[in-house]
This record gives sequence, C-alpha cells and structure tokens, in this order.
Amino acid sequence: NAGVTQTPKFRVLKTGQSMTLLCAQDMNHEYMYWYRQDPGMGLRLIHYSVGEGTTAKGEVPDGYNVSRLKKQNFLLGLESAAPSQTSVYFCASRGGVGSNQPQHFGDGTRLSIL
Amino acid sequence: KQEVTQIPAALSVPEGENLVLNCSFTDSAIYNLQWFRQDPGKGLTSLLLIQSSQREQTSGRLNASLDKSSGRSTLYIAASQPGDSATYLCAVPDWGGSEKLVFGKGTKLTVNP
Repeated sequence: NAGVTQTPKFRVLKTGQSMTLLCAQDMNHEYMYWYRQDPGMGLRLIHYSVGEGTTAKGEVPDGYNVSRLKKQNFLLGLESAAPSQTSVYFCASRGGVGSNQPQHFGDGTRLSIL
Repeated sequence: KQEVTQIPAALSVPEGENLVLNCSFTDSAIYNLQWFRQDPGKGLTSLLLIQSSQREQTSGRLNASLDKSSGRSTLYIAASQPGDSATYLCAVPDWGGSEKLVFGKGTKLTVNP
C-alpha cells in the first residue's frame, strides 16, 4: 500500500519558471491538501480539495494553483516561481465522513527557487 | 484566529524516561486535535486523534489528553526509546470542524541511549 506519493522529490527552478507538483493517493480518500513547511513558520495550508472537481483556498494560496480532475490526484502548480516559494511541500489526504479522521502525509517535495 | 503553541521547542532525555509534551490552542471550539510525528526528511505520521467528546486517547506507549476548556493537550510518552527521537507536532482545526488545520511549530525530542 503506497499511501500518498509525491512527485518529484527534489527540484531546483529558476525564478519565473513554472512547474507542477503531483500528489497521488491510493486510499480512495475524498479530501486532499497541499501544505508548505518553512523554518520558523511551521506547516501552512496552501489549497485543499473536498472531492473530485473541487478546490478551495487555504492560508497561503497566492502564487499557486491546484486541480483535482481525478479523485486520486491533486496537482499543485507554480505559474511563475519566486524565491519566496522555496520550501518543502507536503501533500496529505484523509477519508471518512466528517472531520474526525487523521490526515496521511507524503514524504514531501523539496523545491528551491534560484 | 486560531494559534497553536508547543512547549518546549526541544527536549533531550535519557532512554527509559517518561515525558510529557505540551500543546496549547487559543480557540477551544474545535472538533478534534491531532498529534503527529515527523522524522528528518520525512512527512508527518499521524499518532493520535482526539475527538472533542473524548478526554484522552491511547496507542501503545503514547497517551494524549485533551482539555478543551483550558485550550490544552498533552502527549505522554512512557518508557522513551531512542527510536522515539523525532519532532512532534499538534494540530487543531482553524475553527470547529474546519478542513484548515493549524499546526504548532513542534517539539524536537531526542532520546539518548
């Protein structure tokens, strides 16, 4: 059981470049999330999805776009990368009805913007 | 706005010691509280989820308690082992049962052999 898989694991970009981070889960979970983790700031929610075809903004959505075309995949896009977006990005998912189910996390994507 | 504080930021103990990690939150109108573990270079692993109607949850050597009225939770680790070394984070919904989790900055635990 793979759980939550994030692709790629590492990436270096130049300012202004675009890229897409892929998150895939094989647990048939309805809910999926994208977080960023920065030293001294902790984990912050970027965007999330409560089901296929839906997305919603989190705490720090600016500069990012997301899509949930398939239930098992949640894509995070950076249209024009900026150095401030250098971070570790985590995807998570959870299942069940209601909020009392734990989130399952991937191992992260380490992104550096030069 | 919900704020989560974890004290201490770092803790170093000898193997075998029992220890308590603390988490406090400002808005007590939450549906649940979660404790996670994060190993270096890895994602978060859910340890315990306490629903608002519960006062505590146990899993093996871990016991988490929740006091909503005071805005506090504790994670008790019994008979600590070097393999328990990691960063422990707590998280609560921004409000009620919101999908937006607010995380503390974590307690980095080192258990020395």
